[in-house]
Parts: sequence; C-alpha cells; structure tokens
Amino acid sequence: EADIYQTPRYLVIGTGKKITLECSQTMGHDKMYWYQQDPGMELHLIHYSYGVNSTEKGDLSSESTVSRIRTEHFPLTLESARPSHTSQYLCASSESEPIDGTDTQYFGPGTRLTVL
Amino acid sequence: AQSVTQLDSHVSVSEGTPVLLRCNYSSSYSPSLFWYVQHPNKGLQLLLKYTSAATLVKGINGFEAEFKKSETSFHLTKPSAHMSDAAEYFCVVTSYNQGGKLIFGQGTELSVKP
Repeated sequence: EADIYQTPRYLVIGTGKKITLECSQTMGHDKMYWYQQDPGMELHLIHYSYGVNSTEKGDLSSESTVSRIRTEHFPLTLESARPSHTSQYLCASSESEPIDGTDTQYFGPGTRLTVL
Repeated sequence: AQSVTQLDSHVSVSEGTPVLLRCNYSSSYSPSLFWYVQHPNKGLQLLLKYTSAATLVKGINGFEAEFKKSETSFHLTKPSAHMSDAAEYFCVVTSYNQGGKLIFGQGTELSVKP
C-alpha cells in the first residue's frame, strides 16, 4: 500500500545530541517537504525537495539540514539538538496533477521531538 | 501573494448538530483550496480539495465545502457532527505557480459535546 512513513514517532533526547528524523514514501512522488508545528499552531515549511539531489530551505528558518539521495527518502538532521528544537516535525510528499499543475500533499504521522 | 484566514480558532458543537468552519482566502492566481484534519498526535489527513472544477466539493466522513469566489471563502460544513470529528482543521491555499508549496491557515479546533 502506498504511504508515507516517519520514524521515530516520539523522541526525547538531551541537549547537544545529533539526531536524524526519517521520512520515507512509497508513492513515487518527486516532491517532499518538512514542516515544523508547535502545539496548537499552524504548520511552517522548513525544507522541501523537488527531486533527487534537490533541496531548498522553506519559509521558516531552521538549523536542521536535509538530504535527498533517493526519491523515496528525505531525512532531516539536527547536528546539535537544543530545547528550542522541541516541536512536532511533519513530512509530506506530492506530485503535480496533470490537469491543472497543482499538487496535493500527503502527510506522514509526524515525529514529536522533545529536547531536554 | 496568497494567504488564508480561519475565522474561528475554536468551535464547539453538540453531537448531531451541524458543523461550520469558516475560511477566507486571498490569492493573485486561480487558487486550489484544501481542508485537512489533524487528530491529536497524528499527521494531517486530506478531507477534500477544490481545483477549479465543481464549486461544491464533497469529501470524506460527510464533510463538504463550497468555493465562493465572490466572497473569497471556502467554508467547511457537515450536517451532523460525530464525536470522532473532534480534531484540528486546517484550511490551505495554493496555486499552480507555487511549486507544490502550501499556505496554511492558523487552524480551527473543533470540539464535539455529547
């Protein structure tokens, strides 16, 4: 079944640790996205990719980095986690509709990160 | 430029009564509009989308939304609320020239009382 997966679902980690949040999709989509969402707030785009070896920063500045070596995989890395990074991180993927060129994004379940 | 405003941060209804979640948008181009739902500690699930076809869009779980260009609105409705509808709802706008990027509203929390 085509889907989008994120691991881990929950992560509690100490300050200064390096972490990688995993995101994989089996839908064959070229475009992938990372969003950051604080409790009760809207989503903010922090990274996106239009395909392999393509990565761009989003609208919200983030200290995280991403890579896109394979179409299905879009991991997000924090080199040194801080309490200010505590948030929920949502991954999504999309492809353009052939009729009108717009995209529908499909979301993973999210990773809730807590940095102590 | 594009923007979306959800007019209510919180809506509370009784089970079995109608639901109305309001959304107004602004777009320099022909918009595509979406409603997503997010249950606690979950990702976002697509409820429905409008992409310049029929102005009344039917989605999953009995929800529907009507695109009104003259009012720049895309309100979400459901005739009869169910307890399982309690969640956060996001109105989203994009257009063909946004490269797939979405503009999210602030969200409306729907509570359903027994």
